[in-house]
Amino acid sequence: DQQVKQNSPSLSVQEGRISILNCDYTNSMFDYFLWYKKYPAEGPTFLISISSIKDKNEDGRFTVFLNKSAKHLSLHIVPSQPGDSAVYFCAASDGSSNTGKLIFGQGTTLQVKP
Amino acid sequence: KAGVTQTPRYLIKTRGQQVTLSCSPISGHRSVSWYQQTPGQGLQFLFEYFSETQRNKGNFPGRFSGRQFSNSRSEMNVSTLELGDSALYLCASSFRNTGELFFGEGSRLTVL
Repeated sequence: DQQVKQNSPSLSVQEGRISILNCDYTNSMFDYFLWYKKYPAEGPTFLISISSIKDKNEDGRFTVFLNKSAKHLSLHIVPSQPGDSAVYFCAASDGSSNTGKLIFGQGTTLQVKP
Repeated sequence: KAGVTQTPRYLIKTRGQQVTLSCSPISGHRSVSWYQQTPGQGLQFLFEYFSETQRNKGNFPGRFSGRQFSNSRSEMNVSTLELGDSALYLCASSFRNTGELFFGEGSRLTVL
């Protein structure tokens, strides 16, 4: 039972263009969503988050959008840079379980071509 | 500030053996969580410890166990290893209840 799904295993974009990574969830109890980035041989690093009371959160080149009615969130990276090439995981928390427990998607490998 | 430290980084075991993995969280972080990453499965939550108490557990068999010490360092143990236990085991610590976990580089376990 995959409660958080990233249906695109990979994405390739040109440097300078927008990268859009998508994530769907099924559990309506999720109230906090996060994106993590992972480089090979490193642990995931936190990128950006959004609470369910918001529909958008920005941090520099990164923006996360949340559509609660569709149970869908997306991460926009503008402009994309070669250093953004990594695996991106979306994750969700239902808050009540305290946030050491996150439900992760399977990840999307982003390749940004120079 | 030192990050999350996991040891060992790599290890090879055979079926039936047991393994213990160690995690030192960031100083001041009292919550430690463990995750298993396998190809195609993403990261799956194993358990979380806070102040030496397990406060969340994922859907893993009882062969997987853990503990946390008074200095917040944590260990996880897998007994009677199976081939399917081959994975990257990630430890993460956190300070505030924001979901912003700080991950270590992981311990890569290979079971032969």
